[in-house]
Amino acid sequence: GQNIDQPTEMTATEGAIVQINCTYQTSGFNGLFWYQQHAGEAPTFLSYNVLDGLEEKGRFSSFLSRSKGYSYLLLKELQMKDSASYLCAPRASKIIFGSGTRLSIRP
Amino acid sequence: DTGVSQDPRHKITKRGQNVTFRCDPISEHNRLYWYRQTLGQGPEFLTYFQNEAQLEKSRLLSDRFSAERPKGSFSTLEIQRTEQGDSAMYLCASSTDRGYTRDTQYFGPGTRLTVL
Repeated sequence: GQNIDQPTEMTATEGAIVQINCTYQTSGFNGLFWYQQHAGEAPTFLSYNVLDGLEEKGRFSSFLSRSKGYSYLLLKELQMKDSASYLCAPRASKIIFGSGTRLSIRP
Repeated sequence: DTGVSQDPRHKITKRGQNVTFRCDPISEHNRLYWYRQTLGQGPEFLTYFQNEAQLEKSRLLSDRFSAERPKGSFSTLEIQRTEQGDSAMYLCASSTDRGYTRDTQYFGPGTRLTVL
Protein backbone atom coordinates (compact mmCIF):
# COMPACT_ATOMS: atom_id res chain seq x y z
CA GLY A 1 0.00 0.00 0.00
CA GLN A 2 0.91 3.64 -0.11
CA ASN A 3 0.76 5.99 2.82
CA ILE A 4 2.05 9.49 3.54
CA ASP A 5 1.99 10.95 7.02
CA GLN A 6 2.68 14.59 7.84
CA PRO A 7 1.25 16.87 10.56
CA THR A 8 -2.02 18.54 9.65
CA GLU A 9 -1.18 21.94 11.10
CA MET A 10 1.82 23.77 12.53
CA THR A 11 2.34 27.27 13.88
CA ALA A 12 5.62 29.17 14.04
CA THR A 13 6.86 32.67 14.70
CA GLU A 14 8.18 35.11 12.12
CA GLY A 15 11.98 34.93 11.95
CA ALA A 16 12.14 31.48 13.52
CA ILE A 17 12.91 28.03 12.07
CA VAL A 18 10.37 25.25 11.51
CA GLN A 19 10.78 21.63 10.47
CA ILE A 20 7.94 19.79 8.75
CA ASN A 21 8.30 16.02 8.93
CA CYS A 22 6.98 13.45 6.50
CA THR A 23 7.01 9.68 6.67
CA TYR A 24 5.97 7.61 3.72
CA GLN A 25 5.40 4.07 2.54
CA THR A 26 5.27 3.48 -1.19
CA SER A 27 5.45 0.57 -3.60
CA GLY A 28 8.80 1.52 -5.10
CA PHE A 29 10.57 4.83 -4.68
CA ASN A 30 12.02 7.28 -7.20
CA GLY A 31 12.56 10.41 -5.20
CA LEU A 32 10.52 12.80 -3.07
CA PHE A 33 9.17 16.25 -3.86
CA TRP A 34 8.08 19.09 -1.61
CA TYR A 35 5.57 21.61 -2.89
CA GLN A 36 4.22 24.82 -1.39
CA GLN A 37 0.58 25.72 -1.87
CA HIS A 38 -0.97 29.03 -0.83
CA ALA A 39 -4.70 29.00 -0.18
CA GLY A 40 -6.68 28.99 -3.41
CA GLU A 41 -3.57 28.67 -5.56
CA ALA A 42 -1.79 25.83 -7.35
CA PRO A 43 1.16 23.97 -5.80
CA THR A 44 4.60 25.33 -6.61
CA PHE A 45 7.75 23.22 -6.67
CA LEU A 46 10.16 23.65 -3.77
CA SER A 47 12.60 20.73 -3.76
CA TYR A 48 13.37 17.25 -5.01
CA ASN A 49 15.47 14.65 -3.18
CA VAL A 50 16.47 11.38 -4.79
CA LEU A 51 19.52 10.51 -2.68
CA ASP A 52 19.89 10.49 1.10
CA GLY A 53 20.99 13.71 2.71
CA LEU A 54 20.26 17.38 2.86
CA GLU A 55 19.54 19.62 -0.11
CA GLU A 56 19.75 23.33 0.64
CA LYS A 57 18.12 26.03 -1.43
CA GLY A 58 18.16 29.46 0.14
CA ARG A 59 15.93 29.58 3.23
CA PHE A 60 14.51 26.14 2.46
CA SER A 61 16.26 22.79 2.93
CA SER A 62 14.96 19.28 2.42
CA PHE A 63 16.29 16.06 3.91
CA LEU A 64 15.73 12.47 2.85
CA SER A 65 16.41 9.10 4.47
CA ARG A 66 15.30 6.35 2.11
CA SER A 67 15.96 3.53 4.58
CA LYS A 68 13.68 5.17 7.15
CA GLY A 69 11.05 6.36 4.69
CA TYR A 70 11.47 9.82 6.14
CA SER A 71 11.89 13.35 4.88
CA TYR A 72 11.69 16.80 6.34
CA LEU A 73 11.42 20.33 5.02
CA LEU A 74 13.28 22.97 7.01
CA LEU A 75 12.27 26.61 6.67
CA LYS A 76 14.58 29.25 8.12
CA GLU A 77 14.07 32.96 8.81
CA LEU A 78 10.35 32.55 8.50
CA GLN A 79 8.38 35.28 6.78
CA MET A 80 4.65 35.94 6.87
CA LYS A 81 4.44 34.94 3.20
CA ASP A 82 5.56 31.41 4.19
CA SER A 83 2.07 30.82 5.59
CA ALA A 84 0.87 28.07 3.27
CA SER A 85 0.34 24.33 3.00
CA TYR A 86 3.42 22.20 2.38
CA LEU A 87 2.90 18.97 0.46
CA CYS A 88 5.17 15.97 0.81
CA ALA A 89 5.06 13.96 -2.42
CA PRO A 90 7.05 10.74 -2.84
CA ARG A 91 7.30 9.28 -6.31
CA ALA A 92 6.89 5.61 -7.05
CA SER A 93 5.56 4.96 -10.54
CA LYS A 94 3.93 8.37 -10.18
CA ILE A 95 3.92 11.20 -7.66
CA ILE A 96 1.58 10.73 -4.70
CA PHE A 97 0.64 13.80 -2.70
CA GLY A 98 0.04 13.84 1.02
CA SER A 99 -2.75 15.95 2.51
CA GLY A 100 -0.24 18.63 3.38
CA THR A 101 0.80 20.55 6.48
CA ARG A 102 -0.87 23.91 6.93
CA LEU A 103 1.75 26.26 8.36
CA SER A 104 0.66 29.48 10.05
CA ILE A 105 3.22 32.19 10.81
CA ARG A 106 2.50 34.58 13.65
CA PRO A 107 4.23 37.96 14.02
CA ASP B 1 4.33 33.86 -19.45
CA THR B 2 5.43 30.38 -20.49
CA GLY B 3 3.95 28.47 -17.56
CA VAL B 4 1.06 26.02 -17.54
CA SER B 5 -2.26 27.68 -18.30
CA GLN B 6 -5.78 26.45 -17.69
CA ASP B 7 -9.14 27.64 -18.91
CA PRO B 8 -11.59 28.50 -17.51
CA ARG B 9 -10.40 29.48 -14.06
CA HIS B 10 -13.87 29.08 -12.61
CA LYS B 11 -16.90 27.13 -13.76
CA ILE B 12 -20.33 26.98 -12.18
CA THR B 13 -22.72 24.45 -13.64
CA LYS B 14 -25.93 22.68 -12.79
CA ARG B 15 -26.04 19.03 -11.90
CA GLY B 16 -26.36 16.86 -14.99
CA GLN B 17 -24.58 19.25 -17.34
CA ASN B 18 -21.35 18.45 -19.16
CA VAL B 19 -18.24 20.56 -18.67
CA THR B 20 -14.89 20.69 -20.47
CA PHE B 21 -11.64 22.14 -19.19
CA ARG B 22 -8.52 22.95 -21.16
CA CYS B 23 -4.87 22.80 -20.18
CA ASP B 24 -1.91 24.20 -22.12
CA PRO B 25 1.36 22.78 -20.76
CA ILE B 26 4.81 24.31 -20.85
CA SER B 27 5.73 24.06 -24.51
CA GLU B 28 8.70 21.71 -24.28
CA HIS B 29 7.04 19.38 -21.78
CA ASN B 30 5.97 16.01 -23.16
CA ARG B 31 4.15 14.80 -20.03
CA LEU B 32 0.82 16.14 -18.83
CA TYR B 33 -1.14 15.27 -15.71
CA TRP B 34 -4.62 15.97 -14.40
CA TYR B 35 -5.39 16.10 -10.69
CA ARG B 36 -8.42 16.88 -8.57
CA GLN B 37 -8.12 18.62 -5.22
CA THR B 38 -10.73 19.20 -2.53
CA LEU B 39 -10.41 21.40 0.52
CA GLY B 40 -7.84 20.19 3.03
CA GLN B 41 -6.55 17.42 0.80
CA GLY B 42 -3.57 17.08 -1.47
CA PRO B 43 -3.97 16.73 -5.23
CA GLU B 44 -5.48 13.38 -6.25
CA PHE B 45 -4.14 11.84 -9.46
CA LEU B 46 -6.65 11.44 -12.27
CA THR B 47 -4.72 10.68 -15.46
CA TYR B 48 -1.41 11.09 -17.25
CA PHE B 49 -0.27 11.58 -20.85
CA GLN B 50 3.09 11.09 -22.46
CA ASN B 51 2.84 13.04 -25.69
CA GLU B 52 -0.59 12.10 -27.09
CA ALA B 53 -0.79 8.71 -25.37
CA GLN B 54 -2.87 8.37 -22.22
CA LEU B 55 -0.65 6.03 -20.21
CA GLU B 56 -2.45 5.84 -16.90
CA LYS B 57 -5.90 6.53 -15.55
CA SER B 58 -6.91 6.40 -11.91
CA ARG B 59 -9.25 3.57 -10.95
CA LEU B 60 -11.16 6.20 -9.00
CA LEU B 61 -12.04 7.96 -12.25
CA SER B 62 -15.57 7.09 -13.30
CA ASP B 63 -16.67 6.61 -16.87
CA ARG B 64 -18.10 10.12 -16.78
CA PHE B 65 -14.58 11.52 -16.96
CA SER B 66 -12.58 11.53 -20.17
CA ALA B 67 -9.37 13.26 -21.15
CA GLU B 68 -7.65 13.79 -24.47
CA ARG B 69 -4.40 15.19 -25.74
CA PRO B 70 -4.88 14.81 -29.47
CA LYS B 71 -1.72 16.43 -30.80
CA GLY B 72 0.50 15.97 -27.79
CA SER B 73 0.19 19.63 -26.85
CA PHE B 74 -2.91 20.95 -25.06
CA SER B 75 -5.27 18.62 -23.22
CA THR B 76 -8.96 18.64 -22.39
CA LEU B 77 -10.76 17.06 -19.47
CA GLU B 78 -14.49 16.47 -19.89
CA ILE B 79 -16.92 15.57 -17.15
CA GLN B 80 -20.30 14.31 -18.33
CA ARG B 81 -23.50 14.44 -16.27
CA THR B 82 -21.85 16.36 -13.46
CA GLU B 83 -22.70 15.56 -9.86
CA GLN B 84 -22.34 17.74 -6.77
CA GLY B 85 -19.47 15.51 -5.65
CA ASP B 86 -17.50 16.63 -8.68
CA SER B 87 -17.11 20.09 -7.15
CA ALA B 88 -13.38 20.56 -6.69
CA MET B 89 -10.30 22.27 -8.06
CA TYR B 90 -9.03 20.55 -11.19
CA LEU B 91 -5.30 20.96 -11.60
CA CYS B 92 -3.16 20.33 -14.63
CA ALA B 93 0.60 19.84 -14.43
CA SER B 94 3.32 19.19 -16.98
CA SER B 95 6.84 17.84 -16.90
CA THR B 96 9.65 16.76 -19.16
CA ASP B 97 11.51 13.47 -19.13
CA ARG B 98 14.78 15.18 -20.11
CA GLY B 99 17.32 17.48 -18.54
CA TYR B 100 17.94 18.80 -15.07
CA THR B 101 14.29 19.45 -14.25
CA ARG B 102 13.04 16.12 -15.59
CA ASP B 103 10.04 14.69 -13.80
CA THR B 104 9.42 17.88 -11.80
CA GLN B 105 5.77 18.73 -12.28
CA TYR B 106 4.78 22.35 -12.77
CA PHE B 107 1.17 23.17 -12.06
CA GLY B 108 -1.29 25.45 -13.74
CA PRO B 109 -3.57 27.77 -11.74
CA GLY B 110 -6.41 25.26 -11.76
CA THR B 111 -10.08 25.32 -12.71
CA ARG B 112 -12.47 25.57 -9.79
CA LEU B 113 -15.67 23.67 -10.56
CA THR B 114 -18.86 24.24 -8.59
CA VAL B 115 -21.79 21.94 -9.33
CA LEU B 116 -25.10 23.28 -8.05
